[in-house]
Amino acid sequence: AQSVTQPDIHITVSEGASLELRCNYSYGATPYLFWYVQSPGQGLQLLLKYFSGDTLVQGIKGFEAEFKRSQSSFNLRKPSVHWSDAAEYFCAVGGAGTYKYIFGTGTRLKVLA
Amino acid sequence: ETGVTQTPRHLVMGMTNKKSLKCEQHLGHNAMYWYKQSAKKPLELMFVYNFKEQTENNSVPSRFSPECPNSSHLFLHLHTLQPEDSALYLCASSYRAGETYNEQFFGPGTRLTVL
Repeated sequence: AQSVTQPDIHITVSEGASLELRCNYSYGATPYLFWYVQSPGQGLQLLLKYFSGDTLVQGIKGFEAEFKRSQSSFNLRKPSVHWSDAAEYFCAVGGAGTYKYIFGTGTRLKVLA
Repeated sequence: ETGVTQTPRHLVMGMTNKKSLKCEQHLGHNAMYWYKQSAKKPLELMFVYNFKEQTENNSVPSRFSPECPNSSHLFLHLHTLQPEDSALYLCASSYRAGETYNEQFFGPGTRLTVL
């Protein structure tokens, strides 16, 4: 079955600390992978995406993610978190020939001053 | 206006009411989507329109009725809803449906409460 798992429902980090949000997927074909962020009262904004090529992708706001096919993972990282990064983060998977994204349930990030 | 806009941002309705949600995209896209976002559940794709034609109805109850008069506007007509329909309804658009590498751009959503 196709699915996306974000094992951490909530994560709390201090401002300036590093961050890693986990995402594992199950997908029958070559996956296209995405990370979205949703700030309170806002829609989803695309942070970064992976289709092919270099497995380390850079996104907006200083985020990066690494695709590891052997682990079926696409973890999101940021070296130094800012208070404005507090939001909910969603991992999603899709594939060639389909417009359907499969979303994870999200990870809510809290940033301590 | 830029991006994807949705109105109203908040809506409270009774189970016997009829209301509509509106979505407008200012991106020149050809595909539009309705999603339902409930607490602690993944986003659920409801409907997809590609060049004004409905290409996806993800087993959505008939009390939800979409309308896409042109590629820039999308409506979701609501009638005789149930309390479990309370959720955030998100609209999205992309250049065209059919390929996930066409990034979807999301609106801010309408927070719906059914009493």
